[in-house]
Amino acid sequence: DGGITQSPKYLFRKEGQNVTLSCEQNLNHDAMYWYRQDPGQGLRLIYYSQIVNDFQKGDIAEGYSVSREKKESFPLTVTSAQKNPTAFYLCASSTRSRTGLAEQYFGPGTRLTVT
Amino acid sequence: DAKTTQPPSMDCAEGRAANLPCNHSTISGNEYVYWYRQIHSQGPQYIIHGLKNNETNEMASLIITEDRKSSTLILPHATLRDTAVYYCIVLLSNFGNEKLTFGTGTRLTIIP
Repeated sequence: DGGITQSPKYLFRKEGQNVTLSCEQNLNHDAMYWYRQDPGQGLRLIYYSQIVNDFQKGDIAEGYSVSREKKESFPLTVTSAQKNPTAFYLCASSTRSRTGLAEQYFGPGTRLTVT
Repeated sequence: DAKTTQPPSMDCAEGRAANLPCNHSTISGNEYVYWYRQIHSQGPQYIIHGLKNNETNEMASLIITEDRKSSTLILPHATLRDTAVYYCIVLLSNFGNEKLTFGTGTRLTIIP
């Protein structure tokens, strides 16, 4: 089956530790995205990548880092510099729809809790 | 990208049509209207999008007013599985490099 996988579904870390969230897609999509969602809020864009070995900061990139060494993979590292890391993290990839616009497909998300 | 306004919550009886409004009064002529939904603790799911004409697919219909300042997403026969937060997004085409901006959406509850 084609899709986007994120692992693990739940992740717990101690404050001060870096943690890397996994995102893999086998949809052959060029673009991939990371979003953060806080309770009762919409999604906010952290980083995005239009092509391998290239990525751009989104609206809330501080305290996060990414890499895009392979088309299928776009891991997100939440560093100790991120002041409020506890959140629901969503990965997406996109392809062009019939109108030429990006149509994003989302993974199931990783719920990160830092104490 | 234009800002959108949606009611925070709505209820709909199971089996009835759910009509979700979205106001985008500052939309420009080449901005598209997109709808996504998010079932609790899952990733958002694309539903439908349109520019000027009404659109229909297997999930829903999108009705865009003639002046394009508002739109309505219609789920024709709502089921309990349609309970979710629905996001209306307006964005400009950037040749497939569009970034989505999600607001707080409308929490739709389907009542048995």
